[in-house]
Amino acid sequence: AQTVTQSQPEMSVQEAETVTLSCTYDTSESNYYLFWYKQPPSRQMILVIRQEAYKQQNATENRFSVNFQKAAKSFSLKISDSQLGDTAMYFCAFMKLHGSSNTGKLIFGQGTTLQVKP
Amino acid sequence: GAVVSQHPSWVICKSGTSVKIECRSLDFQATTMFWYRQFPKQSLMLMATSNEGSKATYEQGVEKDKFLINHASLTLSTLTVTSAHPEDSSFYICSARRQGVSYEQYFGPGTRLTVT
Repeated sequence: AQTVTQSQPEMSVQEAETVTLSCTYDTSESNYYLFWYKQPPSRQMILVIRQEAYKQQNATENRFSVNFQKAAKSFSLKISDSQLGDTAMYFCAFMKLHGSSNTGKLIFGQGTTLQVKP
Repeated sequence: GAVVSQHPSWVICKSGTSVKIECRSLDFQATTMFWYRQFPKQSLMLMATSNEGSKATYEQGVEKDKFLINHASLTLSTLTVTSAHPEDSSFYICSARRQGVSYEQYFGPGTRLTVT
């Protein structure tokens, strides 16, 4: 069974600084996706970034980037130039693939609450 | 595009009654919808996976007779909490997977259920 672990329950960062959220996962699968989702106080889940396991290049979306280490099963999220609106709970998630019959199930980590301070 | 709505956004019901929560994909067809439960400051726990036109697949430990899921069309799935009790009070979130797109789920805004 797959597991996703986020070992940092809470983090804080000053506005405009950079912060890195950690995530590790365990799987015997070779084909899968990894995601970071953001859940602000509104509780609406928002996709931040997606990484395909077969791609060596780390995904980037504006101020958000990941450090994907497949062998180490590590998938950290770096937020640059932190903004007050980045304050939220962040979830790392894993989705395995079964070729064309992908179940689409997401396995979430425990979450990291990030507070951006002015 | 890719908007998912949930109704109601919050509901209060008395213990022993049933409550239905709707999840709709507004601008796309969803072959698969997922139902999650989330307690305060905790992660999302997958309850069940529903595929249009077939029975839902429940995760281990989830009572299928208590949490009835129906996915009658490509745009609508419903979760009915039967004979609700205070311990069923929680935040329920649905997500939908777009037909033909394997990797992305679109989440609804969630429904807060309080059972008194």
